[in-house]
Amino acid sequence: NAGVMQNPRHLVRRRGQEARLRCSPMKGHSHVYWYRQLPEEGLKFMVYLQKENIIDESGMPKERFSAEFPKEGPSILRIQQVVRGDSAAYFCASSLNDGGPYEQYFGPGTRLTVT
Amino acid sequence: GDSVTQMEGPVTLSEEAFLTINCTYTATGYPSLFWYVQYPGEGLQLLLKATKADDKGSNKGFEATYRKETTSFHLEKGSVQVSDSAVYFCALSEKGFETSGSRLTFGEGTQLTVNP
Repeated sequence: NAGVMQNPRHLVRRRGQEARLRCSPMKGHSHVYWYRQLPEEGLKFMVYLQKENIIDESGMPKERFSAEFPKEGPSILRIQQVVRGDSAAYFCASSLNDGGPYEQYFGPGTRLTVT
Repeated sequence: GDSVTQMEGPVTLSEEAFLTINCTYTATGYPSLFWYVQYPGEGLQLLLKATKADDKGSNKGFEATYRKETTSFHLEKGSVQVSDSAVYFCALSEKGFETSGSRLTFGEGTQLTVNP
């Protein structure tokens, strides 16, 4: 059973460009979480999604950031007009559907560098 | 809001030494507590967990006890190996893993290096 997949693993963008980060959850999982790890810091929760629904986006910056988890395909974290402060590692985690337990399984992360 | 504080790293030990990584937390209610490990180039893996006071989580020789009176969840291992070199994260969840949507709050992480 493949684990959580994230791509790309490394992404370089110039200031003002858009960044798209993809996350494919484990088979059978329909809950997805995104976390961000800034340099020298721990992971910070950004958003929690189920298929076609954003459940909790309280950790998302108010501007330029958006997330989706369509019925088909991976979850996408989109950052518009990137700035240097967006440089970080972005981790996706997935968990089971209803019935639990809802242990979160993490992907390897996408390292975003903004030049 | 909830928060987790870990001892500052990095920590460097010789093989077979005793390991302690301190973790304290602040939370309302009764959170579940976790230790995650991150090996180079990989995602985080759940190492152990405890869901209520006085529970002891253990895995691969690592242990941590949920201490409500001191709001702590220190990670210990009696004899570390080179293969234990990794970054260790303490985390909490207000809801635990029995309820969906249980976001995790992480500490800053502690880099452990074990030398032969």
